[in-house]
Amino acid sequence: KQEVTQIPAALSVPEGENLVLNCSFTDSAIYNLQWFRQDPGKGLTSLLLIQSSQREQTSGRLNASLDKSSGRSTLYIAASQPGDSATYLCVGTDTDKLIFGTGTRLQVFP
Amino acid sequence: GAGVSQSPRYKVAKRGQDVALRCDPISGHVSLFWYQQALGQGPEFLTYFQNEAQLDKSGLPSDRFFAERPEGSVSTLKIQRTQQEDSAVYLCASSLDRAAYEQYFGPGTRLTVT
Repeated sequence: KQEVTQIPAALSVPEGENLVLNCSFTDSAIYNLQWFRQDPGKGLTSLLLIQSSQREQTSGRLNASLDKSSGRSTLYIAASQPGDSATYLCVGTDTDKLIFGTGTRLQVFP
Repeated sequence: GAGVSQSPRYKVAKRGQDVALRCDPISGHVSLFWYQQALGQGPEFLTYFQNEAQLDKSGLPSDRFFAERPEGSVSTLKIQRTQQEDSAVYLCASSLDRAAYEQYFGPGTRLTVT
């Protein structure tokens, strides 16, 4: 059974710092990998989708990489801002369903 | 364009009541997914539709849970004889075609069983 683990579980940093969120999955047969953010009381917002043939994706201050051979993905957040405060979820996909990681709760303080 | 919508946003049910949760996916999205998110946990897969066909219902926790998508668009998740452990946020997502494509999530329905 595919399991997705995220480290750290929680992170609190001053604004301006560059951050690294880690994700590992047990089954390297993962198809795609997607990073979401979830704000309290709200739904999930897709940040980046790395398809099976890709190694990384970038959007603004966000960069996500995928290493299928090691079963790891990393989300980089550059120059963090208080608005980045949320829970970040790493999500693996097989062809029919998503498997969610345990999440990293990020707080960026002014 | 319009995203995935869910209704109601909040539902309080007394133990033993039946509830129905609605999901309107993005127009043209073939695949629709339901997830359950308990407090402090990540979402967990419940069931998946490809058009009107329910291809995977392996995540439904009991036979009290039933989902349908009769016309391949709107979907309803029904929970019969609700129990306190059913309290959670129920998330709906849609994608162009299967989980391999980017999934778009609705705001969720927060169900509280008292």
